[in-house]
Amino acid sequence: DVKVTQSSRYLVKRTGEKVFLECVQDMDHENMFWYRQDPGLGLRLIYFSYDVKMKEKGDIPEGYSVSREKKERFSLILESASTNQTSMYLCASSMPDRGFGNGEAFFGQGTRLTVV
Amino acid sequence: KQEVTQIPAALSVPEGENLVLNCSFTDSAIYNLQWFRQDPGKGLTSLLLIQSSQREQTSGRLNASLDKSSGRSTLYIAASQPGDSATYLCAVPNRDDKIIFGKGTRLHILP
Repeated sequence: DVKVTQSSRYLVKRTGEKVFLECVQDMDHENMFWYRQDPGLGLRLIYFSYDVKMKEKGDIPEGYSVSREKKERFSLILESASTNQTSMYLCASSMPDRGFGNGEAFFGQGTRLTVV
Repeated sequence: KQEVTQIPAALSVPEGENLVLNCSFTDSAIYNLQWFRQDPGKGLTSLLLIQSSQREQTSGRLNASLDKSSGRSTLYIAASQPGDSATYLCAVPNRDDKIIFGKGTRLHILP
């Protein structure tokens, strides 16, 4: 079974704290993603990584950074948590699909982050 | 820029009915389209992946179709059950492999 595992299901942090969200996948996928999901706004891409140490900004990268030192692990960092970063955070992984039918994306269970 | 739209945003149907969820996308140059299910407070579960060369894909009571030229996909659920109540999302990878999502259809099956 493909597994994408996020380190925490629920987190409560204080404003101004540095927050780390960890994601690990066991399928040797090249692509990894961090999304946040808010009511009425759907899933919005924060950052995307297509290889170790490679990253691209998504639609809403402000206030976030990422780290991918190993292929299986992709970390999302909130440099100084703020209340407007309270959200559900979802990690995903996939292979790049070039028509070979191997591009299925898999998601972790989500981390509900509350910043107080 | 790829945009994905899902209609309707919410749907309530009596148990046992067949139903169709719709997804449209603006850029037809896609490799695949994927349907997901999400239960409240949980992550996304992959239901079906359709390759761009395929017209449809089936898994149990679910059937997904793809018309790439018109930028449309449908998810057909046969003989709906209360356990099918969830939010259903469709997604396509962009040319640069970023995955773009619709906002989903919230489905409620009435017992």
